[in-house]
Amino acid sequence: QQQVKQSPQSLIVQKGGISIINCAYENTAFDYFPWYQQFPGKGPALLIAIRPDVSEKKEGRFTISFNKSAKQFSLHIMDSQPGDSATYFCAPGGGNNRKLIWGLGTSLGVNP
Amino acid sequence: NAGVTQTPKFRVLKTGQSMTLLCAQDMNHEYMYWYRQDPGMGLRLIHYSVGEGTTAKGEVPDGYNVSRLKKQNFLLGLESAAPSQTSVYFCATGPFYNEQFFGPGTRLTVL
Repeated sequence: QQQVKQSPQSLIVQKGGISIINCAYENTAFDYFPWYQQFPGKGPALLIAIRPDVSEKKEGRFTISFNKSAKQFSLHIMDSQPGDSATYFCAPGGGNNRKLIWGLGTSLGVNP
Repeated sequence: NAGVTQTPKFRVLKTGQSMTLLCAQDMNHEYMYWYRQDPGMGLRLIHYSVGEGTTAKGEVPDGYNVSRLKKQNFLLGLESAAPSQTSVYFCATGPFYNEQFFGPGTRLTVL
């Protein structure tokens, strides 16, 4: 029972390009929609998160877009840099769950 | 402040041996989690705790036990290690369920 589906599984973009990663969920009770970033050999770290009362949130080059009716949210990385090369996870949560439900991850590579 | 620390960083066990992984946090967080991460499987929740003295099962609890006797520590035990438990184990903490702060991980190999 996979409640969260993340796509694509892997992505390669050129430096300066836009990276887009998508996350689809099933549980309409979720009220917290984060993206985590993980570098090799490190633990994941919160990158950006959104609540369902807004449709978009921007922090620097990173933007979350949220579509409640479609039960989807996405991460946009503008002006992608080689230092953005990492694995990205969506992990929505809320409702009766006191935990996050993790996607399988997207491996992003940014070519210099 | 150390944040979230995990002990040990690496460990090799033989099948049937037991061990305990320690997660310590100095962030005064109520929630603590143990995850395992395997290639292509993302992060899978083993057990979690919503406060001192409480524990709950996650997605893959079989073969593991936990204890939260002190607020700052969350222990993960393997009573009889199996090769299927070869993985990278991450501890995470948070003031609530949402924002989670991760430790550096423990790489465990079971031969």
